[in-house]
Amino acid sequence: GAVVSQHPSRVICKSGTSVKIECRSLDFQATTMFWYRQFPKQSLMLMATSNEGSKATYEQGVEKDKFLINHASLTLSTLTVTSAHPEDSSFYICSARAASSYNSPLHFGNGTRLTVT
Amino acid sequence: EDKVVQSPLSLVVHEGDTVTLNCSYEVTNFRSLLWYKQEKKAPTFLFMLTSSGIEKKSGRLSSILDKKELSSILNITATQTGDSAIYLCAVGANAGGTSYGKLTFGQGTILTVHP
Repeated sequence: GAVVSQHPSRVICKSGTSVKIECRSLDFQATTMFWYRQFPKQSLMLMATSNEGSKATYEQGVEKDKFLINHASLTLSTLTVTSAHPEDSSFYICSARAASSYNSPLHFGNGTRLTVT
Repeated sequence: EDKVVQSPLSLVVHEGDTVTLNCSYEVTNFRSLLWYKQEKKAPTFLFMLTSSGIEKKSGRLSSILDKKELSSILNITATQTGDSAIYLCAVGANAGGTSYGKLTFGQGTILTVHP
């Protein structure tokens, strides 16, 4: 079945530094990937939609200059948290759907737990 | 704005009990409703529902969609401690362009099954 790989699974960084999270679709091409954020015991909140070869679409309230998204190929999207602060500490999850299967469900990466100290 | 509401927000039961989780939605151009189970990491897919009144079943889990009532239920019979998780309901809409596949998630139901 469709597999989405997310890396790293866990990262600790100092305040003010930037962190890059990768999301790869391993066995299918994904023209669109989605980035979510999740706080403890809460639901997934969509941050942005990542489109291959074009600019990402951000949800209301998400700062595009802080959360940089690059979708350079059909199998890779990256999320960079710039100038991280402790309040950016969260669980970040990406998801993707095979480009040719509009009716198939989204598949999720295993998430990245970011801790900013 | 699309909205998905789940109830209850949390539920504590004992092994062997049957539980029913609810999901209601207000979505423009509804396309599908999905249920996911989330344990420690990423959500895993359970069901995708597009047609009203057709039950989908997988082992002890089953789900059905009611488009007239704009809702869905997820049933778990003979619960086990391994069923303890957050159950997420998500709705997909026909958005067109490159935003197809975007899901709106409910808050989730935290299920705890005690031995």
